[in-house]
Amino acid sequence: GAGVSQSPSNKVTEKGKDVELRCDPISGHTALYWYRQSLGQGLEFLIYFQGNSAPDKSGLPSDRFSAERTGGSVSTLTIQRTQQEDSAVYLCASLGGDRGWDGYTFGSGTRLTVV
Amino acid sequence: GNSVTQMEGPVTLSEEAFLTINCTYTATGYPSLFWYVQYPGEGLQLLLKATKADDKGSNKGFEATYRKETTSFHLEKGSVQVSDSAVYFCALSTGYSTLTFGKGTMLLVSP
Repeated sequence: GAGVSQSPSNKVTEKGKDVELRCDPISGHTALYWYRQSLGQGLEFLIYFQGNSAPDKSGLPSDRFSAERTGGSVSTLTIQRTQQEDSAVYLCASLGGDRGWDGYTFGSGTRLTVV
Repeated sequence: GNSVTQMEGPVTLSEEAFLTINCTYTATGYPSLFWYVQYPGEGLQLLLKATKADDKGSNKGFEATYRKETTSFHLEKGSVQVSDSAVYFCALSTGYSTLTFGKGTMLLVSP
């Protein structure tokens, strides 16, 4: 597609439930990143994919968080047993092509609220 | 590890005022430095970048100079407009394109 698409745009869930957040990167972009944007905390790196593999998962805050990428395209971030501190905007970005840093493109994010 | 510190906001200015948003960094190696902007209800957009010391990034009247001696990358604009109201993030990268961000600075410009 023309840009990075994330769904849902908003998600309200009850504490303890599992949620899945989806990222559809720009077609042909091989690198995909997940970040979390919390109020007053800026953006935290969560995980990076190159193709379908994840060389760096160091930012995942706990084992309740996992992510996968299939077909070198769509990625899903899963949060199990959600807690209130998981409430944040989850941003996805992809990078590829020959535009260098100018090709690093963010989606509009999924706003997750855990009640 | 890598870190970015930027001035806390909100920064409140009148239209046509001069803007400075300070950003300093700590990094291993030689980072690339960036400013991203997030307009209300929109995703992050790259505003400008600099990939080596003494480079000046510029875009839309904004500019920032990569100062290795002071580990800084301050954002400036000579005359702000109401449409510049947004949150501005300073960021760096030293590796495979993962970005380390500051906490963001909200800019509010009034007519």
